[in-house]
Amino acid sequence: GENVEQHPSTLSVQEGDSAVIKCTYSDSASNYFPWYKQELGKRPQLIIDIRSNVGEKKDQRIAVTLNKTAKHFSLHITETQPEDSAVYFCAATSPSGTYKYIFGTGTRLKVLA
Amino acid sequence: GAVVSQHPSRVICKSGTSVKIECRSLDFQATTMFWYRQFPKQSLMLMATSNEGSKATYEQGVEKDKFLINHASLTLSTLTVTSAHPEDSSFYICSARAPLAGSYNEQFFGPGTRLTVL
Repeated sequence: GENVEQHPSTLSVQEGDSAVIKCTYSDSASNYFPWYKQELGKRPQLIIDIRSNVGEKKDQRIAVTLNKTAKHFSLHITETQPEDSAVYFCAATSPSGTYKYIFGTGTRLKVLA
Repeated sequence: GAVVSQHPSRVICKSGTSVKIECRSLDFQATTMFWYRQFPKQSLMLMATSNEGSKATYEQGVEKDKFLINHASLTLSTLTVTSAHPEDSSFYICSARAPLAGSYNEQFFGPGTRLTVL
């Protein structure tokens, strides 16, 4: 079945450094890849997304890259700040059927001041 | 726009009782709603997908007789945990898909319901 792998599971960076989180998906029909930030006890918040017809997308300090051939996509956060500390989830969805999300296992990011 | 609410936000119940959780799209009509369960320090696991007026589609391993889903209108879906047991304690999150709001594939998440079964 569909599967999304996410690495690393935990990531600690110094404030101001960059953080990169990687995901690999299995369903070649997947065409939409959102990234969510979740703080403890809260709902996931969409921070950036990318469609399969685009290779890269950037929004201020956050960027996402997609390699369809290799079936992997990555989240890049530059100039990290303590408030970036949270759990980040990638997801993949395909147009077949219900457009359901398959989530990655999550990355706990800790930005050290 | 594209706001999803859930009620209650927190519920504590005794083992063997049933609990109903409501998920509402406040300012849009949701063609599809999704129910997720999230255990501590784990990812969101999709339980089922529901479309208004039709039976929910459950993911493998999710008991449809235990987790009853009703999607009575384009703005309301309910999840009933029947005969709840301590192992059902979890964070339940709904989401709604609205092709006319935001990105075509985007799901909008509710704030979640923390269920604790004693």
